[in-house]
Amino acid sequence: DTGVSQDPRHKITKRGQNVTFRCDPISEHNRLYWYRQTLGQGPEFLTYFQNEAQLEKSRLLSDRFSAERPKGSFSTLEIQRTEQGDSAMYLCASSFMGPERTRVLVEKLFFGSGTQLSVL
Amino acid sequence: AQKITQTQPGMFVQEKEAVTLDCTYDTSDPSYGLFWYKQPSSGEMIFLIYQGSYDQQNATEGRYSLNFQKARKSANLVISASQLGDSAMYFCAMRAGNTGKLIFGQGTTLQVKP
Repeated sequence: DTGVSQDPRHKITKRGQNVTFRCDPISEHNRLYWYRQTLGQGPEFLTYFQNEAQLEKSRLLSDRFSAERPKGSFSTLEIQRTEQGDSAMYLCASSFMGPERTRVLVEKLFFGSGTQLSVL
Repeated sequence: AQKITQTQPGMFVQEKEAVTLDCTYDTSDPSYGLFWYKQPSSGEMIFLIYQGSYDQQNATEGRYSLNFQKARKSANLVISASQLGDSAMYFCAMRAGNTGKLIFGQGTTLQVKP
């Protein structure tokens, strides 16, 4: 399987605990995105990386959230001191952006199946 | 501010018939891209079709076509010859300017009846 892989698929935790999710993008992809999706809503952008660099963060990404992509390959999203409002599906996506910046608009994202987080 | 609006929470269509899913968008940037994604119950988002703001013709991909009306800021998805496997959530999304992020609408749930 050469698609975007996310682990775990499901995570149940108690309020106040820390959780970490992992995303493995498609191997040749240099961009990696994190989105959050609550039930019945569209995905909301959280952050994205180009290689190791975190290029943009949403204001949704409070100081309890941190994302890393240390070697420009896989990424982790950590939520500290989880709250019930953090319960959601966390989606990862990847894409390849070449040096031709004019193609940024047509950049197609490939999504993983997500990590469903439930905070009790 | 950029915004995507999908006003149809749910739609029904008879198998083999065509269906149109509505999407309107708002951006002040003259350069933007519009996307449609399908999300089946398994959760994975699947890319369907893309339309650029400067594209002269409406995009088509197999049974999917995008009815792009720039002056009305609408980008409706048309699915022809609906199949049972088309039952899913459908999201319209937009990318504008130099930002990498996609902004998604609220989605429309499509159910195809046999």
